[in-house]
Amino acid sequence: DAGVTQSPTHLIKTRGQQVTLRCSPKSGHDTVSWYQQALGQGPQFIFQYYEEEERQRGNFPDRFSGHQFPNYSSELNVNALLLGDSALYLCASSYGTGLVQPQHFGDGTRLSIL
Amino acid sequence: SQQGEEDPQALSIQEGENATMNCSYKTSINNLQWYRQNSGRGLVHLILIRSNEREKHSGRLRVTLDTSKKSSSLLITASRAADTASYFCATDDNSGGSNYKLTFGKGTLLTVNP
Repeated sequence: DAGVTQSPTHLIKTRGQQVTLRCSPKSGHDTVSWYQQALGQGPQFIFQYYEEEERQRGNFPDRFSGHQFPNYSSELNVNALLLGDSALYLCASSYGTGLVQPQHFGDGTRLSIL
Repeated sequence: SQQGEEDPQALSIQEGENATMNCSYKTSINNLQWYRQNSGRGLVHLILIRSNEREKHSGRLRVTLDTSKKSSSLLITASRAADTASYFCATDDNSGGSNYKLTFGKGTLLTVNP
């Protein structure tokens, strides 16, 4: 039973570029959330997708956008990259609606901005 | 913004000892969760405690929740070197209607020395 998979594992970009990160949720899960984790900090919620719609968004600028596909996989896009966007980007999946459920996390994409 | 605050920020103990980590949060919640993160990896869900529960056990883990003080503690008994990791508490905020995101603290770095 495959868990949450993310790609790529590492990525190096320069300021002003654009990046797309990908996530496949755990089998049977239909909800995908994205988090940004800076070094030495806890994860910060970016947004959550359910039924191909953005259901909730955290305090991130419009440069951060996403998409969910019919097979429940998801992409995170970041435009006009800034040095401060350097972080570990984590994808988490869960099933259904209602109260927040335990999240299953992937190992993340380490994004470095030069 | 970080809702939960873990205490201490770092904890170093010997194998076989117990480790206690504390978490404080600010808003009313539906549930509180604890996660573990090994260096460079994703987060792993450990335990979820609902707001109407006061204590919960899972193997060597014991979690308490005091909603009047907005605090929780995680106790790991008979610690092992493999328990070395960062531990995060995460809460949902039910004060403003539907909420699907988790808010994490900054974490406690636990080192268990052989």
